[in-house]
Amino acid sequence: EAGVAQSPRYKIIEKRQSVAFWCNPISGHATLYWYQQILGQGPKLLIQFQNNGVVDDSQLPKDRFSAERLKGVDSTLKIQPAKLEDSAVYLCASSLGERGLAGLYNEQFFGPGTRLTVL
Amino acid sequence: TQLLEQSPQFLSIQEGENLTVYCNSSSVFSSLQWYRQEPGEGPVLLVTVVTGGEVKKLKRLTFQFGDARKDSSLHITAAQPGDTGLYLCAGVSGGATNKLIFGTGTLLAVQP
Repeated sequence: EAGVAQSPRYKIIEKRQSVAFWCNPISGHATLYWYQQILGQGPKLLIQFQNNGVVDDSQLPKDRFSAERLKGVDSTLKIQPAKLEDSAVYLCASSLGERGLAGLYNEQFFGPGTRLTVL
Repeated sequence: TQLLEQSPQFLSIQEGENLTVYCNSSSVFSSLQWYRQEPGEGPVLLVTVVTGGEVKKLKRLTFQFGDARKDSSLHITAAQPGDTGLYLCAGVSGGATNKLIFGTGTLLAVQP
């Protein structure tokens, strides 16, 4: 079974430029997550989609970050304009769905990430 | 705000040594997970602990969930260079959102 795909793997831009990342989740996974991971730290959830709807975007800096999942499959995350502090790895993850029956957690599967460097 | 603090932040040891990584929070989680992440890759799930006091073993790795479901530990016996990586704990939050709260991370380097 193919895993979560992300592209590009690496991106270097100058501050104030725009950048977009793409994610294709595991086939059949209804829930998609974007995380930001600063070097050496744990990932921080930016936004969570259930199909094409947003479940949680409370930690997304909405003045510069946007994300969409128009057809409920693949997703793009955009930064416009980028700042130096946006340098990080952007991870995409997917899971079968929200909590299942009896509140059981659905495992998240992570892609390899996109490493962004803002100069 | 739910926070998970890991200690130590960095650990460099020789092959064959034992080590323990701690994950602490003031919040209660329905379950807790441990991940290992290698450079250029996403986190890979090692284990999920669900019950307070639960102990799980995965070859040389032993995971324990605190009785109050607020803390956890990871013990590695006879570490090997292949154990090198970033170890992350993650709490599964309550409710229906399937949300993970990741810890601050422990970077482990095992020297041959």
